[in-house]
Amino acid sequence: QVQLQQSGPGLVKPSQTLSLTCAISGDSVSSNNAAWNWIRQSPSRGLEWLGRTYYRSKWYNGYAVSVKSRIIINPDTSKNQFSLQLNSVTPEDTAVYYCTRTSDGANDYWGQGTLVTVSS
Amino acid sequence: QSMLTQPPSVSGTPGQRVTVSCSGGSSNIGRDIVSWYQQLPGTAPKLLISGDNQRPSGVPDRFSGSKSGTSASLAISGLQSEDDADYYCGTWDGSLNGWVFGGGTKLTVL
Repeated sequence: QVQLQQSGPGLVKPSQTLSLTCAISGDSVSSNNAAWNWIRQSPSRGLEWLGRTYYRSKWYNGYAVSVKSRIIINPDTSKNQFSLQLNSVTPEDTAVYYCTRTSDGANDYWGQGTLVTVSS
Repeated sequence: QSMLTQPPSVSGTPGQRVTVSCSGGSSNIGRDIVSWYQQLPGTAPKLLISGDNQRPSGVPDRFSGSKSGTSASLAISGLQSEDDADYYCGTWDGSLNGWVFGGGTKLTVL
């Protein structure tokens, strides 16, 4: 059974960096059959895919155009986890953030969600 | 604004059959498989249907998915009170190179 456990602060000041981590159990971040995503949800934007990392003989990343200039998703093979960094946040980045696994074309496992509020 | 279009709400009485539609385009639903997610209040979305019409283990056969062209549908038969939730469709968009989701449909079991 795959489990994704999220951690990170729930409050970030404007212009600072949002950082979250997703620890994986029951699978490997280096799996050749999965991709690891960050998705956020807010009343104004609904479910919004932010980006992903995946391994296919080498590491690949992909990011949504809306955040491409200020996002980094990194795998950490030593801890079997992956992380999200979103720079220069504004109140519009306030949302519930989820990490997910994509396998066979579906997001089959989701983290518990982290409400991140951007406020001074 | 969501890339996939869903009705904001649907409703039904226990035992009834309801459907939720999801409309997209040639770069998303028209070229890739669709998945459906159920979200109960205060919880993360849960995979309900994958590969257009496949039920993951543990999902009741009351739930079914279909797709035609650039539209997909989720059908729920034998409606139960615990089906009262939000439902989302999602798929990969080949033009955006990213996942796109519908705006969600609130199912109310009357």
